[in-house]
Amino acid sequence: EDKVVQSPLSLVVHEGDTVTLNCSYEVTNFRSLLWYKQEKKAPTFLFMLTSSGIEKKSGRLSSILDKKELFSILNITATQTGDSAVYLCAGGTYKYIFGTGTRLKVLA
Amino acid sequence: GAVVSQHPSWVICKSGTSVKIECRSLDFQATTMFWYRQFPKQSLMLMATSNEGSKATYEQGVEKDKFLINHASLTLSTLTVTSAHPEDSSFYICSARGEGSADTQYFGPGTRLTVL
Repeated sequence: EDKVVQSPLSLVVHEGDTVTLNCSYEVTNFRSLLWYKQEKKAPTFLFMLTSSGIEKKSGRLSSILDKKELFSILNITATQTGDSAVYLCAGGTYKYIFGTGTRLKVLA
Repeated sequence: GAVVSQHPSWVICKSGTSVKIECRSLDFQATTMFWYRQFPKQSLMLMATSNEGSKATYEQGVEKDKFLINHASLTLSTLTVTSAHPEDSSFYICSARGEGSADTQYFGPGTRLTVL
């Protein structure tokens, strides 16, 4: 059965800290891994990773995919309170399997 | 770009009634739209995949006669929850994927359905 597992489930840090969120996957038809940030409503797109070993960056956020070990990480440096959210990853091709998310809380 | 809207944002209805939720891609043509539901503190569960002009493909365990999906145009898909019951109360989210956008899905803001 296809599955996507995220860790940790929940994380509390202080502003300025760096965090690493993990996503491992076992998905039969896999082409891409997606990362989303979900605050109070629907998820907003962060990254799509298709190739192994190529880091994608957007400001303080970066992500990389390892297709051999079947995992991805999302790094957030110099965290801010506005980074508090649930971070979701999803793996698949046409359809995606979502993980249960990592709930990040950044304290001022 | 890639904006997806949903209407309504929030709906409360009586048990036994039907509710229609609209999902629109505002600035691109969505060849495929996906419908998800999300229970509190849980992840997104794919309900069905909808392609413009054809029947939706439902995931295992999702009743197609209860959750009617129509994708009549490249910018609009609708989900109708028929004969809603309290256990159908949930957050329903659509996403859209356009031609040439590879595998990226853009999500609508979601619709919170409460069935009394």
